Amino acid sequence: RKEVEQDPGPFNVPEGATVAFNCTYSNSASQSFFWYRQDCRKEPKLLMSVYSSGNEDGRFTAQLNRASQYISLLIRDSKLSDSATYLCVVNEVTGTASKLTFGTGTRLQVTL
Amino acid sequence: DGGITQSPKYLFRKEGQNVTLSCEQNLNHDAMYWYRQDPGQGLRLIYYSQIVNDFQKGDIAEGYSVSREKKESFPLTVTSAQKNPTAFYLCASKSSWRDPAKNIQYFGAGTRLSVL
Repeated sequence: RKEVEQDPGPFNVPEGATVAFNCTYSNSASQSFFWYRQDCRKEPKLLMSVYSSGNEDGRFTAQLNRASQYISLLIRDSKLSDSATYLCVVNEVTGTASKLTFGTGTRLQVTL
Repeated sequence: DGGITQSPKYLFRKEGQNVTLSCEQNLNHDAMYWYRQDPGQGLRLIYYSQIVNDFQKGDIAEGYSVSREKKESFPLTVTSAQKNPTAFYLCASKSSWRDPAKNIQYFGAGTRLSVL
Protein backbone atom coordinates (compact mmCIF):
# COMPACT_ATOMS: atom_id res chain seq x y z
CA ARG A 1 0.00 0.00 0.00
CA LYS A 2 1.33 3.43 -0.92
CA GLU A 3 2.04 5.76 1.98
CA VAL A 4 -0.08 8.52 0.46
CA GLU A 5 -2.71 7.64 -2.13
CA GLN A 6 -4.64 9.91 -4.42
CA ASP A 7 -6.96 9.35 -7.34
CA PRO A 8 -4.84 10.51 -10.31
CA GLY A 9 -7.84 11.79 -12.26
CA PRO A 10 -8.09 13.70 -14.46
CA PHE A 11 -11.17 15.39 -13.10
CA ASN A 12 -12.78 17.33 -15.93
CA VAL A 13 -15.31 19.84 -14.60
CA PRO A 14 -17.08 22.87 -16.06
CA GLU A 15 -16.41 26.33 -14.75
CA GLY A 16 -18.44 27.04 -11.65
CA ALA A 17 -18.64 23.43 -10.54
CA THR A 18 -17.72 22.11 -7.11
CA VAL A 19 -15.11 19.37 -7.05
CA ALA A 20 -13.66 17.30 -4.20
CA PHE A 21 -10.44 15.35 -3.94
CA ASN A 22 -9.63 12.74 -1.35
CA CYS A 23 -6.32 11.44 -0.14
CA THR A 24 -5.55 8.57 2.22
CA TYR A 25 -2.39 8.02 4.22
CA SER A 26 -1.08 4.88 5.82
CA ASN A 27 1.00 6.10 8.76
CA SER A 28 -1.18 6.90 11.76
CA ALA A 29 1.78 8.76 13.33
CA SER A 30 1.60 11.45 10.64
CA GLN A 31 1.46 14.83 12.26
CA SER A 32 0.75 17.53 9.75
CA PHE A 33 -0.89 17.68 6.37
CA PHE A 34 -0.87 19.95 3.36
CA TRP A 35 -2.27 20.47 -0.10
CA TYR A 36 0.13 21.76 -2.72
CA ARG A 37 -0.73 22.88 -6.22
CA GLN A 38 1.56 22.08 -9.14
CA ASP A 39 1.12 23.61 -12.57
CA CYS A 40 2.45 21.79 -15.62
CA ARG A 41 6.27 21.76 -15.64
CA LYS A 42 6.45 24.02 -12.59
CA GLU A 43 7.35 23.58 -8.95
CA PRO A 44 4.74 22.68 -6.29
CA LYS A 45 3.35 25.63 -4.34
CA LEU A 46 1.62 25.46 -1.00
CA LEU A 47 -2.14 25.81 -1.35
CA MET A 48 -3.08 25.29 2.27
CA SER A 49 -2.22 23.46 5.44
CA VAL A 50 -4.86 21.09 6.80
CA TYR A 51 -5.92 21.32 10.42
CA SER A 52 -7.88 18.84 12.50
CA SER A 53 -10.85 21.15 12.78
CA GLY A 54 -10.94 21.75 9.05
CA ASN A 55 -10.07 25.05 7.47
CA GLU A 56 -11.26 27.26 4.68
CA ASP A 57 -9.50 29.74 2.44
CA GLY A 58 -11.87 31.46 0.07
CA ARG A 59 -13.23 28.84 -2.34
CA PHE A 60 -11.03 26.10 -0.90
CA THR A 61 -11.89 23.93 2.09
CA ALA A 62 -9.60 21.27 3.55
CA GLN A 63 -10.59 18.64 6.07
CA LEU A 64 -8.72 16.00 8.02
CA ASN A 65 -10.18 12.78 9.39
CA ARG A 66 -7.52 11.20 11.60
CA ALA A 67 -9.66 8.19 12.55
CA SER A 68 -10.07 7.18 8.91
CA GLN A 69 -6.71 8.60 7.87
CA TYR A 70 -7.90 10.71 5.00
CA ILE A 71 -7.67 14.30 3.91
CA SER A 72 -9.99 16.10 1.54
CA LEU A 73 -9.90 19.25 -0.55
CA LEU A 74 -13.08 20.90 -1.79
CA ILE A 75 -13.00 23.56 -4.47
CA ARG A 76 -16.17 25.59 -4.97
CA ASP A 77 -17.03 27.73 -7.99
CA SER A 78 -14.15 26.31 -10.05
CA LYS A 79 -12.22 28.73 -12.25
CA LEU A 80 -10.25 27.99 -15.38
CA SER A 81 -7.16 29.04 -13.43
CA ASP A 82 -7.73 26.20 -10.95
CA SER A 83 -6.60 23.72 -13.61
CA ALA A 84 -3.52 22.07 -12.15
CA THR A 85 -2.36 18.98 -10.30
CA TYR A 86 -3.14 18.93 -6.58
CA LEU A 87 -0.65 17.13 -4.36
CA CYS A 88 -1.57 15.68 -0.99
CA VAL A 89 1.39 15.90 1.39
CA VAL A 90 1.84 14.26 4.78
CA ASN A 91 4.51 15.03 7.35
CA GLU A 92 5.94 12.57 9.84
CA VAL A 93 8.31 13.37 12.65
CA THR A 94 10.38 10.43 13.87
CA GLY A 95 13.03 11.22 16.44
CA THR A 96 14.96 14.17 15.09
CA ALA A 97 13.90 13.69 11.49
CA SER A 98 10.95 15.29 9.79
CA LYS A 99 9.90 13.87 6.45
CA LEU A 100 7.30 14.90 3.90
CA THR A 101 5.66 12.21 1.80
CA PHE A 102 3.95 13.31 -1.41
CA GLY A 103 1.05 11.73 -3.19
CA THR A 104 1.27 11.39 -6.96
CA GLY A 105 -1.30 14.14 -7.39
CA THR A 106 -4.81 14.56 -8.75
CA ARG A 107 -5.13 16.41 -12.02
CA LEU A 108 -7.96 18.92 -12.39
CA GLN A 109 -9.03 20.36 -15.72
CA VAL A 110 -11.65 23.10 -15.58
CA THR A 111 -13.37 23.80 -18.88
CA LEU A 112 -15.65 26.50 -20.28
CA ASP B 1 13.48 39.05 -3.45
CA GLY B 2 13.55 36.22 -0.93
CA GLY B 3 13.36 32.74 -2.31
CA ILE B 4 15.00 29.60 -3.56
CA THR B 5 17.02 29.73 -6.75
CA GLN B 6 17.86 26.65 -8.75
CA SER B 7 20.20 26.62 -11.71
CA PRO B 8 20.43 25.77 -14.46
CA LYS B 9 16.83 25.44 -15.57
CA TYR B 10 17.79 22.80 -18.14
CA LEU B 11 20.83 20.53 -18.06
CA PHE B 12 22.10 17.84 -20.36
CA ARG B 13 24.40 15.07 -19.23
CA LYS B 14 26.61 12.88 -21.34
CA GLU B 15 27.23 9.25 -20.53
CA GLY B 16 29.72 8.83 -17.71
CA GLN B 17 29.62 12.49 -16.74
CA ASN B 18 28.98 13.97 -13.31
CA VAL B 19 26.83 17.09 -13.23
CA THR B 20 26.03 19.46 -10.38
CA LEU B 21 22.72 21.19 -9.79
CA SER B 22 22.78 24.40 -7.80
CA CYS B 23 20.31 25.38 -5.07
CA GLU B 24 20.61 28.65 -3.16
CA GLN B 25 18.17 30.13 -0.63
CA ASN B 26 18.12 33.53 1.07
CA LEU B 27 15.26 32.71 3.42
CA ASN B 28 17.58 31.90 6.34
CA HIS B 29 16.03 28.42 6.45
CA ASP B 30 17.76 25.68 8.42
CA ALA B 31 16.65 22.67 6.41
CA MET B 32 17.08 21.97 2.72
CA TYR B 33 15.92 19.08 0.55
CA TRP B 34 16.40 17.56 -2.89
CA TYR B 35 13.60 15.70 -4.63
CA ARG B 36 13.27 13.97 -7.94
CA GLN B 37 10.00 13.91 -9.88
CA ASP B 38 9.33 11.51 -12.75
CA PRO B 39 6.25 11.72 -14.99
CA GLY B 40 3.15 10.39 -13.24
CA GLN B 41 5.00 9.89 -9.99
CA GLY B 42 5.15 11.71 -6.72
CA LEU B 43 8.20 13.56 -5.47
CA ARG B 44 10.86 11.25 -4.08
CA LEU B 45 13.41 12.42 -1.52
CA ILE B 46 17.05 12.13 -2.56
CA TYR B 47 18.94 13.88 0.26
CA TYR B 48 18.18 16.35 2.99
CA SER B 49 20.12 18.56 5.36
CA GLN B 50 18.79 19.87 8.65
CA ILE B 51 21.81 21.99 9.55
CA VAL B 52 25.06 23.15 8.01
CA ASN B 53 27.73 20.47 7.60
CA ASP B 54 25.22 17.68 8.08
CA PHE B 55 23.07 15.77 5.58
CA GLN B 56 21.15 12.53 5.42
CA LYS B 57 20.18 10.11 2.68
CA GLY B 58 16.60 10.08 1.56
CA ASP B 59 14.73 7.27 -0.14
CA ILE B 60 16.68 7.24 -3.42
CA ALA B 61 20.20 8.51 -2.62
CA GLU B 62 22.13 6.02 -4.74
CA GLY B 63 24.02 7.74 -7.56
CA TYR B 64 23.77 11.18 -5.96
CA SER B 65 25.91 13.23 -3.60
CA VAL B 66 25.44 16.52 -1.76
CA SER B 67 27.29 18.99 0.43
CA ARG B 68 26.14 21.65 2.89
CA GLU B 69 29.08 23.90 3.59
CA LYS B 70 26.96 27.03 3.85
CA LYS B 71 23.47 27.55 5.20
CA GLU B 72 22.36 29.14 1.94
CA SER B 73 23.61 26.47 -0.43
CA PHE B 74 22.84 22.78 -1.00
CA PRO B 75 24.24 21.57 -4.34
CA LEU B 76 23.35 18.16 -5.71
CA THR B 77 25.76 16.14 -7.85
CA VAL B 78 24.31 13.51 -10.16
CA THR B 79 27.11 11.02 -10.61
CA SER B 80 27.76 8.59 -13.44
CA ALA B 81 26.55 5.85 -11.09
CA GLN B 82 22.99 7.16 -11.49
CA LYS B 83 21.90 5.15 -14.51
CA ASN B 84 18.53 6.81 -15.06
CA PRO B 85 19.06 10.48 -14.25
CA THR B 86 16.47 11.99 -16.60
CA ALA B 87 13.94 13.73 -14.34
CA PHE B 88 12.75 17.03 -12.89
CA TYR B 89 14.85 17.92 -9.83
CA LEU B 90 13.36 20.11 -7.14
CA CYS B 91 15.12 21.77 -4.23
CA ALA B 92 13.14 22.85 -1.19
CA SER B 93 13.79 24.52 2.13
CA LYS B 94 12.05 24.79 5.46
CA SER B 95 12.57 27.25 8.29
CA SER B 96 13.12 24.81 11.14
CA TRP B 97 13.30 21.05 11.23
CA ARG B 98 12.67 21.13 14.99
CA ASP B 99 9.27 22.79 14.99
CA PRO B 100 6.41 20.74 13.51
CA ALA B 101 4.41 23.95 13.18
CA LYS B 102 6.96 25.14 10.66
CA ASN B 103 6.85 22.12 8.41
CA ILE B 104 5.99 24.01 5.26
CA GLN B 105 8.52 23.43 2.52
CA TYR B 106 9.06 25.98 -0.21
CA PHE B 107 10.35 24.93 -3.59
CA GLY B 108 12.69 26.31 -6.20
CA ALA B 109 11.62 26.36 -9.84
CA GLY B 110 13.44 23.11 -10.59
CA THR B 111 16.06 21.80 -12.98
CA ARG B 112 15.19 19.48 -15.86
CA LEU B 113 17.99 17.01 -16.47
CA SER B 114 18.21 14.97 -19.63
CA VAL B 115 20.75 12.47 -20.90
CA LEU B 116 22.34 13.04 -24.30
